[in-house]
Amino acid sequence: EDKVVQSPLSLVVHEGDTVTLNCSYEVTNFRSLLWYKQEKKAPTFLFMLTSSGIEKKSGRLSSILDKKELFSILNITATQTGDSAVYLCAPSRAQKLVFGQGTRLTINP
Amino acid sequence: SAVISQKPSRDICQRGTSLTIQCQVDSQVTMMFWYRQQPGQSLTLIATANQGSEATYESGFVIDKFPISRPNLTFSTLTVSNMSPEDSSIYLCSAWDGDTEAFFGQGTRLTVV
Repeated sequence: EDKVVQSPLSLVVHEGDTVTLNCSYEVTNFRSLLWYKQEKKAPTFLFMLTSSGIEKKSGRLSSILDKKELFSILNITATQTGDSAVYLCAPSRAQKLVFGQGTRLTINP
Repeated sequence: SAVISQKPSRDICQRGTSLTIQCQVDSQVTMMFWYRQQPGQSLTLIATANQGSEATYESGFVIDKFPISRPNLTFSTLTVSNMSPEDSSIYLCSAWDGDTEAFFGQGTRLTVV
């Protein structure tokens, strides 16, 4: 059975802090791993990772995948209150996404 | 990236009734996916919808409860049938933009009373 575990489940930090969100997975026919930000209903795409060791960056966010150890991390530097959201990790198998339970990130001013 | 228009955005329904959710993509896509997010939970795949064939349902989901239509490469509907309060969830449709991104509709928040 596919398994995706995100940690921590909840995180509260101050504005300006750096956070690291973790995702470990066991998914058959793994193809890629996607990260999403969910603020209301629809998840917003952040990154797709397919190769180990290659960091993807977008502004203050970055992410990397380790296909040998079956995990990924999402880093957010210089956090802002607008980063408050649930962050979802989703490995894919043949375009089907298997979601973790998410990390609820709260940034306090 | 591509855009999916999903409606309704929210609805409150009586138990025993049915609701049909629509998703329109602004480009042609081979497969569309329907997910459910129950309160406090993460997203779970309901089924995969291909044009011209029956949808493929995940374990725990059946066609009689969640019939899906896929009449063309840009449109799909999901019906939640004979609703009960346990069906109260956010329902989301999704598709891939090439092989680079899976994007979502705006979601439908369903409350069954």
